[in-house]
Amino acid sequence: EMFLTQSPATLSVSPGERATLSCRASRNIYTNLAWYQQRPGQPPRLLIYDASVRAPGISDRFSGSGSETEFTLIIDSLHSEDVAIYFCQQYDEWFFGPGTKVELK
Amino acid sequence: QITLKESGPTLVKPAQSLTLTCTFSGLSLDTSGESLAWIRQPPGKALEWLALIYWDDDKRFSPSLESRLSVNKDPSRNQVFLTLSNVDPEDTATYFCAHHPDGQAFDFWGLGTMVTVSS
Repeated sequence: EMFLTQSPATLSVSPGERATLSCRASRNIYTNLAWYQQRPGQPPRLLIYDASVRAPGISDRFSGSGSETEFTLIIDSLHSEDVAIYFCQQYDEWFFGPGTKVELK
Repeated sequence: QITLKESGPTLVKPAQSLTLTCTFSGLSLDTSGESLAWIRQPPGKALEWLALIYWDDDKRFSPSLESRLSVNKDPSRNQVFLTLSNVDPEDTATYFCAHHPDGQAFDFWGLGTMVTVSS
């Protein structure tokens, strides 16, 4: 069975600094990967699909990269509204990663 | 603009069946390529994909829950239904439906509905 791992589990970043989140797949998923942001008490919101394409209306402070088994989400110049849990998802089999919690330092 | 809204019971007893409804607008499940997904999230935990139903009534299920899940649609009423049988307290979660276009990521989500399994 295919699975995703995310690291770190929690990331503390100072406002204005960069956050780098990692997602690793257990097999080659090409670029069939999405990133979601889930703020407290809200449903997930699609940020990135096809590993690197920003969804409509998403700030250019969010960027995705990677392919095959290694993927990265970068949040530039962290804002308070970026405090959330970030999930990656592969959409060959639709499973999600365990999430990375981003908090302000 | 696509909108989705989940509804159903908030409290279910163990061993009973749970049926949830996703009512949507802004899309037609009769259109080729369209599908809707169900996802759940136990309190404080990660997202778990449950099921998909396509415009042509093809269905996919999470392997770990397949024996307990069913999903159906009524395009004329713009609704999709998820049934989970023989529920257990571990099925306590917020249940979401989401739009899944043409095999891509889940681009629109409902707000979710919280279900507690308890006697």
